[in-house]
Amino acid sequence: DTGVSQDPRHKITKRGQNVTFRCDPISEHNRLYWYRQTLGQGPEFLTYFQNEAQLEKSRLLSDRFSAERPKGSFSTLEIQRTEQGDSAMYLCASSLAGWDRGQETQYFGPGTRLLVL
Amino acid sequence: AQSVAQPEDQVNVAEGNPLTVKCTYSVSGNPYLFWYVQYPNRGLQFLLKYITGDNLVKGSYGFEAEFNKSQTSFHLKKPSALVSDSALYFCAVRDAYSGAGSYQLTFGKGTKLSVIP
Repeated sequence: DTGVSQDPRHKITKRGQNVTFRCDPISEHNRLYWYRQTLGQGPEFLTYFQNEAQLEKSRLLSDRFSAERPKGSFSTLEIQRTEQGDSAMYLCASSLAGWDRGQETQYFGPGTRLLVL
Repeated sequence: AQSVAQPEDQVNVAEGNPLTVKCTYSVSGNPYLFWYVQYPNRGLQFLLKYITGDNLVKGSYGFEAEFNKSQTSFHLKKPSALVSDSALYFCAVRDAYSGAGSYQLTFGKGTKLSVIP
């Protein structure tokens, strides 16, 4: 059973450029989450999917951010017109939701570290 | 709204001594509580969780945590610390009641554990 994978692991970009990150969840996990972690802070929730449906978005997710999970498997997170404040670690997690809603464990990927110059 | 406090930014303990990493939480309803560990440049690894039942929860690598409802705490413990336990530890909470936002985890800021040989 492979874990959650994320690509790329590191990304350096110039302010104003667009970037896209990919997350591959644990196979058969139906929920997928995106979090952002800045230096010295815990992860902060951005958005989550149940299968292909995006069910919740945090207010942290500005109009420049968009996430998709088109076939209910992998997901992409795109940031348009990047700003220096977008520099952070972007973490993806997945879980298998069952009847005991909310009790499932989220398993995290290694993250994508973004640096905006 | 749900929140987590980890009152200590850093905990130092000698190898072989018991360790405690503190966590307190706030939720509207009943909590689901989680501990994760993060090694440098890595994602979060799940250690243990409290859903219901026995207040003492045992997890990976010899860690355990004690849920105390009256004190709204969920402290992480280990009887004998190893140098390899040195890492960043995060406590997280989710409100057990369903509804919008019920599946996201809210994390504390993390506690850096240093085990001294």
